[in-house]
Amino acid sequence: AQSVAQPEDQVNVAEGNPLTVKCTYSVSGNPYLFWYVQYPNRGLQFLLKYITGDNLVKGSYGFEAEFNKSQTSFHLKKPSALVSDSALYFCAALNQAGTALIFGKGTTLSVSS
Amino acid sequence: DSGVTQTPKHLITATGQRVTLRCSPRSGDLSVYWYQQSLDQGLQFLIQYYNGEERAKGNILERFSAQQFPDLHSELNLSSLELGDSALYFCASSEGLGAGGTYEQYFGPGTRLTVT
Repeated sequence: AQSVAQPEDQVNVAEGNPLTVKCTYSVSGNPYLFWYVQYPNRGLQFLLKYITGDNLVKGSYGFEAEFNKSQTSFHLKKPSALVSDSALYFCAALNQAGTALIFGKGTTLSVSS
Repeated sequence: DSGVTQTPKHLITATGQRVTLRCSPRSGDLSVYWYQQSLDQGLQFLIQYYNGEERAKGNILERFSAQQFPDLHSELNLSSLELGDSALYFCASSEGLGAGGTYEQYFGPGTRLTVT
């Protein structure tokens, strides 16, 4: 069965420090991976995607993600966290049929000033 | 703003009732997806339409149905509502199907359904 796991319910970092939000996946074939962010009472906002190519993917708002095929991971990173980055982050994978996203349970990122 | 619109924003109704949620995709997007977000189940895919035709079904209950109209807007119909149907319902759109499109889906702001 295809699945996406986000092992941490919450990540706490201080403003200015680097952040990492972890994601591992289990999908058949080549993975198509995504990160989305959800602010309170808002919809999901697309951050970045990995389809093929470079293992380091750059996205919106200074976020990037590192694809690691051997570890089946797609961790979200940012060199310097901002308080405004505090939100709920979802990792997702496109299912094998290419028809739907399979989401992880989400990780709440809290950045303190 | 993703360009995907959903109405209404909030909906409060009683058990046993029927409601309709509406979604307008981004301009040019042919695929519409419906997702349900609840505290216990997380984000779950319900159903996908492409250019008016149903293309994929996920964990959608038989009491739920959807359609996509010629102008590409979509409606999700929820009937015989139960307390457990209370959730945030998202619509998303993309250019095409998984293999032929740009893959990322753009989400609307959601409709929060409360069943009392």
